[in-house]
Amino acid sequence: DTAVSQTPKYLVTQMGNDKSIKCEQNLGHDTMYWYKQDSKKFLKIMFSYNNKELIINETVPNRFSPKSPDKAHLNLHINSLELGDSAVYFCASSRVAGGRQETQYFGPGTRLLVL
Amino acid sequence: GNSVTQMEGPVTLSEEAFLTINCTYTATGYPSLFWYVQYPGEGLQLLLKATKADDKGSNKGFEATYRKETTSFHLEKGSVQVSDSAVYFCALVIQGAQKLVFGQGTRLTINP
Repeated sequence: DTAVSQTPKYLVTQMGNDKSIKCEQNLGHDTMYWYKQDSKKFLKIMFSYNNKELIINETVPNRFSPKSPDKAHLNLHINSLELGDSAVYFCASSRVAGGRQETQYFGPGTRLLVL
Repeated sequence: GNSVTQMEGPVTLSEEAFLTINCTYTATGYPSLFWYVQYPGEGLQLLLKATKADDKGSNKGFEATYRKETTSFHLEKGSVQVSDSAVYFCALVIQGAQKLVFGQGTRLTINP
């Protein structure tokens, strides 16, 4: 059974285009995240949503707009793609219980290449 | 601020060798500590975790002990296999902050 899934797995597009990446989790978690992994494998958080509300926005350009239609989904829309946006984007989810965050589970990643 | 530092890679070992990947952290507060593994072409999988000082996390023959006095969480395995070849990430989360802070990753290659 898939826990955290992302689509598409690969995305190749031209500079200036707008694209979306979708994420879904079936773990019943209330918090979802987007991380970016650059070409040197460094991972950094971009956004976090708890119960559909934005709680973390780590100085990401406003060309990136996350949307959470419900607790099980967190989509990432990117406008006016730039070469530097090429990376692997990981979605993750976790539960926050009693103010304590439990383990984050990651999706398989979306490999974005901007030409 | 909060940060994680891992030993520089890449690390190359022979099968059945002993593995240590060092990880130290700086944190404001009391973090939970994690090791994640990324196999080639795949996403991140949780390998093990420890949530308080002196806890030992273990899984698949890997172990790491949360050492508050040295702010460390070194990953060890007594006898590595070719299938352990992957990138290993040490990470922390400060409770209430709700975001993982990752180290830079250590690429491990095991030769038969």
